[in-house]
Amino acid sequence: QKEVEQDPGPLSVPEGAIVSLNCTYSNSAFQYFMWYRQYSRKGPELLMYTYSSGNKEDGRFTAQVDKSSKYISLFIRDSQPSDSATYLCAMIATSGTYKYIFGTGTRLKVLA
Amino acid sequence: DSGVTQTPKHLITATGQRVTLRCSPRSGDLSVYWYQQSLDQGLQFLIQYYNGEERAKGNILERFSAQQFPDLHSELNLSSLELGDSALYFCASSVPEANYGYTFGSGTRLTVV
Repeated sequence: QKEVEQDPGPLSVPEGAIVSLNCTYSNSAFQYFMWYRQYSRKGPELLMYTYSSGNKEDGRFTAQVDKSSKYISLFIRDSQPSDSATYLCAMIATSGTYKYIFGTGTRLKVLA
Repeated sequence: DSGVTQTPKHLITATGQRVTLRCSPRSGDLSVYWYQQSLDQGLQFLIQYYNGEERAKGNILERFSAQQFPDLHSELNLSSLELGDSALYFCASSVPEANYGYTFGSGTRLTVV
């Protein structure tokens, strides 16, 4: 079993929809949680990061971490065609062996 | 432009050959990371350098090696190439022990034929 699981999609939504992207993990040592966006033929770009549990909002994006369920989410409000990309979650464990693990990514298509 | 520069952007080579991928980190970043991305495996961590020293190793094959030079640029050497080595190779950089994001370059697309 992988330490970080992410549905590969593709996920297709109409423009203006609320998008929910999720990752689950098995290692309770993960403390930092990130979301990256990767456009085709480009490198991943950091969107948001959170420490421990809770919510963080940045414009149309909200990151949510539920450590009790080992579940993280990224919500995109009022989705736009320019949001079409692959979204990767990533997690860091700093206690014990340092680990920085990426999910495999969810491909999102926002249809105009 | 992320500030991390990778060259070349594309590389096509034959099996058994050797190639060198180059990365210049963002100004001020001391850590350099190399990742391999293929369709079925996602982003796989290969190796990390910090200020010229190897800091961590991931799933890096013995046929692959890397180094970081005094000017902080890094090179990833891939030898005895196989068809399965075809992938995107990304370099990322960060400030020391950044417990959040890395800055990625645009990658080198390697095709082994």
